[in-house]
Amino acid sequence: GAGVSQSPRYKVAKRGQDVALRCDPISGHVSLFWYQQALGQGPEFLTYFQNEAQLDKSGLPSDRFFAERPEGSVSTLKIQRTQQEDSAVYLCASSLERARRNTEAFFGQGTRLTVV
Amino acid sequence: GENVEQHPSTLSVQEGDSAVIKCTYSDSASNYFPWYKQELGKGPQLIIDIRSNVGEKKDQRIAVTLNKTAKHFSLHITETQPEDSAVYFCAAIRVTGRRALTFGSGTRLQVQP
Repeated sequence: GAGVSQSPRYKVAKRGQDVALRCDPISGHVSLFWYQQALGQGPEFLTYFQNEAQLDKSGLPSDRFFAERPEGSVSTLKIQRTQQEDSAVYLCASSLERARRNTEAFFGQGTRLTVV
Repeated sequence: GENVEQHPSTLSVQEGDSAVIKCTYSDSASNYFPWYKQELGKGPQLIIDIRSNVGEKKDQRIAVTLNKTAKHFSLHITETQPEDSAVYFCAAIRVTGRRALTFGSGTRLQVQP
């Protein structure tokens, strides 16, 4: 497809369960971002990849959160031992980013995670 | 780090009226300011953006203004239509350093037919 694709769209996890969220960015996009959006709030940055390199993970809320992008394309956000406060929409975005000029970030539809 | 404040949190207008949403930012190094529209169950979609070397940009019914001195920028929607109803987010980013967008808290716009 032409856009950013995220799966699953919805995930219900029992507290303590591990989850993995997938992001397929737009083909050829160098940069990939993960954001967390709590209900009624703006997205908050979690982590950033440039190709396969994770250049910024300062937004990850705890060491239970882990992200990877091993081949510089698809990315996975993993949350271990989920807690209720992890319930949110997780958004993935990708952008082309030429020569350090900020370019449009395209967002996926997100994965709504509910921890029960 | 960057902090973006957005007002109002909710805005209700009659169809055909104008809507204005305002944002302020704290980091004087920020130089790119996009606006996103988010409909229910969807991801944010870019509707317009402005760079720090420009004071105003317009695209049909949508315009954005930037005041670098005061560190604030605004979204203007004219001739509003019911399909403009959504949550709108402003954001800011700097060209160097942290590469992530900092978002405002959002404005829920309701256009009454």
